Amino acid sequence: DAGVTQSPTHLIKTRGQQVTLRCSPISGHKSVSWYQQVLGQGPQFIFQYYEKEERGRGNFPDRFSARQFPNYSSELNVNALLLGDSALYLCASSFRESPLHFGNGTRLTVT
Amino acid sequence: TQLLEQSPQFLSIQEGENLTVYCNSSSVFSSLQWYRQEPGEGPVLLVTVVTGGEVKKLKRLTFQFGDARKDSSLHITAAQPGDTGLYLCAGRPTGANNLFFGTGTRLTVIP
Repeated sequence: DAGVTQSPTHLIKTRGQQVTLRCSPISGHKSVSWYQQVLGQGPQFIFQYYEKEERGRGNFPDRFSARQFPNYSSELNVNALLLGDSALYLCASSFRESPLHFGNGTRLTVT
Repeated sequence: TQLLEQSPQFLSIQEGENLTVYCNSSSVFSSLQWYRQEPGEGPVLLVTVVTGGEVKKLKRLTFQFGDARKDSSLHITAAQPGDTGLYLCAGRPTGANNLFFGTGTRLTVIP
């Protein structure tokens, strides 16, 4: 079975631009979570969606938004990009709460 | 401030040596997980501990959950170069839906 897939793998954007990251969960998994991992640190929780509803939100500004589609795939949107948004963005899926299965992430660089 | 603090942050040891990584918090967790992350990949779950005082073994890795369910440790016996990676603890505080990650321990095992 395919694991969690994320696209694109790498992305370079300019300050002020907007970005959309995509995630396809493992088949049968209804929960998707998004994490931001800054170089050298542990992942920080951004959002969790379950059955297309937001179940949790981390301490991130309103520039960050997400949604989950009927097929359980998900998108993370970030508006008005800042240099500090440069990070690895990880998507994880699970059947319910855990365990989490992570994708290999999208490396976002903001210049 | 981080909910879960790991120590040490960096560890470089010779092949064959033993090591222990600590994960500490002032919060109580319903469960605690350990992940390993390699460069360019997402974290991969190693183990989940749920009962205070629980000890789990995975080959040369021994995981312990503190009696009060506030801390955990990972002990590696006879480390090998293949153990090199970023080790992350993660916990779900009692009553929370979200998984919080620790600050991470970057382990390098030198052949």
